Amino acid sequence: AQSVTQLDSQVPVFEEAPVELRCNYSSSVSVYLFWYVQYPNQGLQLLLKYLSGSTLVKGINGFEAEFNKSQTSFHLRKPSVHISDTAEYFCAVSDRKTSQGNLIFGKGTKLSVKP
Amino acid sequence: DTGVSQDPRHKITKRGQNVTFRCDPISEHNRLYWYRQTLGQGPEFLTYFQNEAQLEKSRLLSDRFSAERPKGSFSTLEIQRTEQGDSAMYLCASSLAHHEELFFGEGSRLTVL
Repeated sequence: AQSVTQLDSQVPVFEEAPVELRCNYSSSVSVYLFWYVQYPNQGLQLLLKYLSGSTLVKGINGFEAEFNKSQTSFHLRKPSVHISDTAEYFCAVSDRKTSQGNLIFGKGTKLSVKP
Repeated sequence: DTGVSQDPRHKITKRGQNVTFRCDPISEHNRLYWYRQTLGQGPEFLTYFQNEAQLEKSRLLSDRFSAERPKGSFSTLEIQRTEQGDSAMYLCASSLAHHEELFFGEGSRLTVL
Protein backbone atom coordinates (compact mmCIF):
# COMPACT_ATOMS: atom_id res chain seq x y z
CA ALA A 1 0.00 0.00 0.00
CA GLN A 2 1.10 3.55 -0.63
CA SER A 3 0.69 6.72 1.37
CA VAL A 4 1.55 10.36 0.78
CA THR A 5 2.45 12.97 3.38
CA GLN A 6 2.40 16.65 2.58
CA LEU A 7 4.23 18.19 5.46
CA ASP A 8 2.70 21.66 5.31
CA SER A 9 -1.03 22.26 5.20
CA GLN A 10 -0.58 25.97 4.49
CA VAL A 11 2.32 27.94 3.04
CA PRO A 12 2.12 31.74 2.98
CA VAL A 13 4.70 33.49 0.83
CA PHE A 14 5.27 36.91 -0.66
CA GLU A 15 5.09 37.53 -4.39
CA GLU A 16 8.38 36.91 -6.26
CA ALA A 17 9.78 34.83 -3.39
CA PRO A 18 10.85 31.21 -3.94
CA VAL A 19 8.67 28.41 -2.59
CA GLU A 20 9.04 24.72 -1.84
CA LEU A 21 6.08 22.46 -1.12
CA ARG A 22 7.15 19.23 0.51
CA CYS A 23 5.92 15.75 -0.30
CA ASN A 24 7.08 12.42 1.09
CA TYR A 25 5.66 9.07 0.13
CA SER A 26 5.72 5.54 1.45
CA SER A 27 5.42 2.52 -0.80
CA SER A 28 6.52 -1.09 -0.96
CA VAL A 29 6.52 -0.96 -4.76
CA SER A 30 7.87 1.37 -7.40
CA VAL A 31 5.65 4.36 -8.01
CA TYR A 32 4.83 7.12 -10.41
CA LEU A 33 4.66 10.57 -8.82
CA PHE A 34 2.46 13.56 -9.61
CA TRP A 35 1.68 17.08 -8.53
CA TYR A 36 -1.80 18.45 -9.19
CA VAL A 37 -3.05 21.99 -8.61
CA GLN A 38 -6.58 23.04 -7.75
CA TYR A 39 -7.51 26.67 -8.26
CA PRO A 40 -10.63 27.95 -6.47
CA ASN A 41 -13.82 26.51 -7.97
CA GLN A 42 -11.89 24.56 -10.60
CA GLY A 43 -11.00 20.93 -11.16
CA LEU A 44 -7.64 19.38 -10.43
CA GLN A 45 -5.04 20.07 -13.11
CA LEU A 46 -1.80 18.18 -13.63
CA LEU A 47 1.29 20.30 -12.92
CA LEU A 48 3.94 17.70 -13.55
CA LYS A 49 4.70 14.00 -13.31
CA TYR A 50 7.64 11.69 -12.78
CA LEU A 51 7.44 8.41 -14.65
CA SER A 52 11.09 7.57 -15.35
CA GLY A 53 14.33 9.11 -16.51
CA SER A 54 15.67 12.39 -15.18
CA THR A 55 14.81 12.92 -11.55
CA LEU A 56 14.29 16.66 -12.13
CA VAL A 57 10.92 17.19 -13.72
CA LYS A 58 9.71 20.47 -15.16
CA GLY A 59 6.02 21.29 -15.32
CA ILE A 60 3.68 24.06 -16.28
CA ASN A 61 3.75 27.60 -14.92
CA GLY A 62 7.45 27.45 -14.03
CA PHE A 63 7.14 24.69 -11.43
CA GLU A 64 9.60 21.84 -11.07
CA ALA A 65 10.02 18.87 -8.77
CA GLU A 66 12.83 16.50 -7.93
CA PHE A 67 12.38 12.81 -7.26
CA ASN A 68 14.66 11.58 -4.49
CA LYS A 69 14.35 7.84 -4.16
CA SER A 70 16.57 7.50 -1.10
CA GLN A 71 14.54 10.08 0.81
CA THR A 72 11.24 9.01 -0.80
CA SER A 73 10.49 12.63 -1.54
CA PHE A 74 9.09 14.60 -4.46
CA HIS A 75 9.23 18.25 -3.41
CA LEU A 76 7.73 20.94 -5.63
CA ARG A 77 9.60 24.19 -6.20
CA LYS A 78 9.21 27.49 -7.97
CA PRO A 79 11.95 30.16 -7.91
CA SER A 80 9.58 33.14 -8.02
CA VAL A 81 5.85 32.91 -7.31
CA HIS A 82 3.02 35.08 -8.61
CA ILE A 83 -0.27 36.03 -7.04
CA SER A 84 -1.92 33.73 -9.59
CA ASP A 85 -0.14 30.71 -8.06
CA THR A 86 -2.46 30.93 -5.05
CA ALA A 87 -4.14 27.54 -5.03
CA GLU A 88 -4.14 24.15 -3.33
CA TYR A 89 -1.45 21.70 -4.42
CA PHE A 90 -1.74 17.93 -4.15
CA CYS A 91 1.02 15.36 -4.36
CA ALA A 92 -0.03 11.90 -5.55
CA VAL A 93 1.46 8.48 -6.26
CA SER A 94 0.36 5.46 -8.23
CA ASP A 95 1.61 1.90 -8.40
CA ARG A 96 4.02 1.64 -11.32
CA LYS A 97 3.31 -2.04 -11.85
CA THR A 98 -0.46 -1.96 -12.05
CA SER A 99 -0.54 1.47 -13.69
CA GLN A 100 -4.31 1.74 -13.48
CA GLY A 101 -4.55 5.38 -12.55
CA ASN A 102 -5.58 4.69 -8.97
CA LEU A 103 -3.92 7.72 -7.46
CA ILE A 104 -3.20 8.07 -3.76
CA PHE A 105 -3.27 11.75 -2.84
CA GLY A 106 -1.83 13.69 0.04
CA LYS A 107 -4.01 16.05 2.05
CA GLY A 108 -2.91 19.07 0.06
CA THR A 109 -0.95 22.25 0.71
CA LYS A 110 -2.64 25.61 0.39
CA LEU A 111 -0.25 28.12 -1.14
CA SER A 112 -1.15 31.72 -0.43
CA VAL A 113 0.85 34.33 -2.31
CA LYS A 114 0.68 37.80 -0.83
CA PRO A 115 1.58 41.06 -2.60
CA ASP B 1 -15.41 22.80 -24.06
CA THR B 2 -14.15 19.24 -24.46
CA GLY B 3 -13.08 18.62 -20.88
CA VAL B 4 -14.67 16.36 -18.28
CA SER B 5 -18.10 17.62 -17.29
CA GLN B 6 -20.08 16.76 -14.18
CA ASP B 7 -23.70 17.35 -13.33
CA PRO B 8 -25.09 18.65 -11.09
CA ARG B 9 -22.38 20.88 -9.67
CA HIS B 10 -24.20 21.18 -6.36
CA LYS B 11 -26.80 18.98 -4.71
CA ILE B 12 -28.47 19.51 -1.34
CA THR B 13 -30.56 16.64 -0.10
CA LYS B 14 -32.13 15.32 3.06
CA ARG B 15 -30.80 12.30 4.85
CA GLY B 16 -32.29 9.11 3.47
CA GLN B 17 -32.86 10.40 -0.06
CA ASN B 18 -31.17 8.98 -3.14
CA VAL B 19 -28.93 11.10 -5.35
CA THR B 20 -27.33 10.51 -8.73
CA PHE B 21 -24.36 12.25 -10.30
CA ARG B 22 -23.41 12.15 -13.95
CA CYS B 23 -19.98 12.40 -15.53
CA ASP B 24 -19.19 12.91 -19.20
CA PRO B 25 -15.52 12.14 -19.85
CA ILE B 26 -13.33 13.43 -22.64
CA SER B 27 -14.74 11.64 -25.67
CA GLU B 28 -11.75 9.53 -26.69
CA HIS B 29 -10.86 8.48 -23.12
CA ASN B 30 -11.65 4.87 -22.32
CA ARG B 31 -10.91 5.05 -18.59
CA LEU B 32 -13.18 6.83 -16.14
CA TYR B 33 -12.62 7.32 -12.42
CA TRP B 34 -14.64 8.46 -9.45
CA TYR B 35 -12.99 10.06 -6.43
CA ARG B 36 -14.39 11.63 -3.28
CA GLN B 37 -12.92 14.65 -1.54
CA THR B 38 -13.91 15.80 1.92
CA LEU B 39 -12.92 19.03 3.61
CA GLY B 40 -9.25 19.16 4.46
CA GLN B 41 -8.46 15.92 2.67
CA GLY B 42 -7.08 14.97 -0.69
CA PRO B 43 -9.19 13.07 -3.19
CA GLU B 44 -9.83 9.41 -2.34
CA PHE B 45 -10.27 6.79 -5.02
CA LEU B 46 -13.71 5.17 -5.24
CA THR B 47 -13.84 3.18 -8.47
CA TYR B 48 -12.78 3.09 -12.10
CA PHE B 49 -14.00 1.79 -15.43
CA GLN B 50 -12.23 0.76 -18.56
CA ASN B 51 -14.83 1.15 -21.26
CA GLU B 52 -18.01 -0.27 -19.69
CA ALA B 53 -16.24 -2.67 -17.32
CA GLN B 54 -15.88 -1.66 -13.67
CA LEU B 55 -12.40 -2.96 -12.89
CA GLU B 56 -11.75 -1.81 -9.35
CA LYS B 57 -13.76 -0.65 -6.36
CA SER B 58 -12.43 0.88 -3.18
CA ARG B 59 -13.52 -0.29 0.25
CA LEU B 60 -14.91 3.26 0.60
CA LEU B 61 -17.62 2.30 -1.87
CA SER B 62 -20.25 0.89 0.47
CA ASP B 63 -23.29 -1.08 -0.68
CA ARG B 64 -25.26 2.16 -0.86
CA PHE B 65 -23.03 3.38 -3.68
CA SER B 66 -23.32 2.13 -7.23
CA ALA B 67 -21.55 3.32 -10.35
CA GLU B 68 -22.32 2.46 -13.92
CA ARG B 69 -20.92 3.20 -17.34
CA PRO B 70 -23.40 1.39 -19.56
CA LYS B 71 -22.11 2.26 -23.00
CA GLY B 72 -18.55 3.04 -22.16
CA SER B 73 -19.13 6.76 -22.45
CA PHE B 74 -20.81 8.71 -19.62
CA SER B 75 -21.01 7.34 -16.10
CA THR B 76 -23.40 7.72 -13.19
CA LEU B 77 -22.71 7.47 -9.48
CA GLU B 78 -25.78 6.79 -7.34
CA ILE B 79 -25.89 7.05 -3.58
CA GLN B 80 -28.89 5.45 -1.93
CA ARG B 81 -30.24 6.36 1.51
CA THR B 82 -27.80 9.21 1.90
CA GLU B 83 -26.16 9.87 5.26
CA GLN B 84 -24.58 13.06 6.56
CA GLY B 85 -21.18 11.43 6.22
CA ASP B 86 -21.72 11.26 2.47
CA SER B 87 -21.37 15.04 2.26
CA ALA B 88 -18.35 15.61 0.05
CA MET B 89 -17.15 16.68 -3.37
CA TYR B 90 -17.46 13.83 -5.87
CA LEU B 91 -14.83 14.09 -8.58
CA CYS B 92 -14.81 12.39 -11.94
CA ALA B 93 -11.69 11.96 -14.06
CA SER B 94 -10.87 10.31 -17.34
CA SER B 95 -7.78 9.10 -19.15
CA LEU B 96 -6.55 6.96 -21.97
CA ALA B 97 -5.52 3.45 -20.95
CA HIS B 98 -1.81 3.22 -20.08
CA HIS B 99 -1.54 7.00 -20.00
CA GLU B 100 -0.79 8.27 -16.56
CA GLU B 101 -2.42 11.68 -16.71
CA LEU B 102 -5.93 11.95 -15.32
CA PHE B 103 -8.13 14.82 -16.43
CA PHE B 104 -10.53 15.91 -13.70
CA GLY B 105 -13.92 17.54 -13.85
CA GLU B 106 -14.91 20.37 -11.55
CA GLY B 107 -16.75 18.04 -9.23
CA SER B 108 -20.25 17.61 -7.83
CA ARG B 109 -20.67 18.89 -4.30
CA LEU B 110 -23.13 16.94 -2.14
CA THR B 111 -24.58 18.32 1.07
CA VAL B 112 -26.73 15.96 3.12
CA LEU B 113 -28.87 17.69 5.74
